[in-house]
Amino acid sequence: DTGVSQDPRHKITKRGQNVTFRCDPISEHNRLYWYRQTLGQGPEFLTYFQNEAQLEKSRLLSDRFSAERPKGSFSTLEIQRTEQGDSAMYLCASSLEQSPPDTQYFGPGTRLTVL
Amino acid sequence: GQNIDQPTEMTATEGAIVQINCTYQTSGFNGLFWYQQHAGEAPTFLSYNVLDGLEEKGRFSSFLSRSKGYSYLLLKELQMKDSASYLCACASGANNLFFGTGTRLTVIP
Repeated sequence: DTGVSQDPRHKITKRGQNVTFRCDPISEHNRLYWYRQTLGQGPEFLTYFQNEAQLEKSRLLSDRFSAERPKGSFSTLEIQRTEQGDSAMYLCASSLEQSPPDTQYFGPGTRLTVL
Repeated sequence: GQNIDQPTEMTATEGAIVQINCTYQTSGFNGLFWYQQHAGEAPTFLSYNVLDGLEEKGRFSSFLSRSKGYSYLLLKELQMKDSASYLCACASGANNLFFGTGTRLTVIP
């Protein structure tokens, strides 16, 4: 079990640029989640996939954000036209579908800094 | 709406016992999770309660009272490595977790 992995671990970008993050879940997990965490706060839910289907999106996920999970395995989160307020830790989690709720296991996160 | 309250900071002595409280308000309650998060690292799963009562797992125990909207995490025989943030999270009708802001625990010698 290699755990949830995320790439890159750190990203510094200039305001207005686009960035893309990748998440590889635990191999047998069919559910995948994206969260955002800012300093001193708990993670905030962004979106959730079951296999390749995006089943839920938070109101936090503006139209500049898009997430995909094309083959039901890895997922990408893209932020277009980044703003300074997008600076945060972006966490990915995965779980195995079972009687709700599933236990979610988190990756190490991608820390985004927008200058 | 959803709301979780937990203390912002706590300090305890190595070897002691500490209890971190969490009160919550949510719709479609499906269980309560506790996660540990060291600074700059990802949250790691500690415990899960869906029924009232105490769940014990080694030095860590978690309690839930659904009627009171209340949970606590009990840490025994505190070690310096237990210094971390402890996140209380509710699972609602959907599969996402709603987290509190976390309790930063400092263990002192």
